[in-house]
Amino acid sequence: KNEVEQSPQNLTAQEGEFITINCSYSVGISALHWLQQHPGGGIVSLFMLSSGKKKHGRLIATINIQEKHSSLHITASHPRDSAVYICAANTDKLIFGTGTRLQVFP
Amino acid sequence: EPEVTQTPSHQVTQMGQEVILRCVPISNHLYFYWYRQILGQKVEFLVSFYNNEISEKSEIFDDQFSVERPDGSNFTLKIRSTKLEDSAMYFCASSDSRYGYTFGSGTRLTVV
Repeated sequence: KNEVEQSPQNLTAQEGEFITINCSYSVGISALHWLQQHPGGGIVSLFMLSSGKKKHGRLIATINIQEKHSSLHITASHPRDSAVYICAANTDKLIFGTGTRLQVFP
Repeated sequence: EPEVTQTPSHQVTQMGQEVILRCVPISNHLYFYWYRQILGQKVEFLVSFYNNEISEKSEIFDDQFSVERPDGSNFTLKIRSTKLEDSAMYFCASSDSRYGYTFGSGTRLTVV
């Protein structure tokens, strides 16, 4: 069993839709990261969470430590949001989920 | 905004050859990491480095891999005798605590 599970694996949306990506983890963590990976391969850090909720522009990340679950929300999605979104559990290193491939169509 | 710089961006090498991947972490960061991502798979941890020595390494990081900090700023990952299965994107990352990460843009290694 993977220590970090994401769902869905693939997600297609129309521009303007509200997007939710879920992440569950089974390890003890100091923080949970949400990352974005574009087709060129580079990884960008979006959020690091240890509790509660964070917001940056149209992106919102929440975490429930007791339930070992985190969600990434994108409000008013746009084609430029198309990317792979990855959650990663921070122990002494990052343990990555398999990613969610998001495609937003105009 | 400070960046982690990786070179080269793309490397093609013959099987059995040695390769050196380079990384310049953010200068005041204390923790350094190498990760790799085989095409179509998830990102995997290779090794972490703190206080000029390896702090943790994965099962993947066997004797053909080594990591060094040759001049106190650059950070290298050496693969001594490359195999086809070493073909992957290699990322370095640095952190100013054990929490915030900045990733380099990656080196795509192709072993032929």
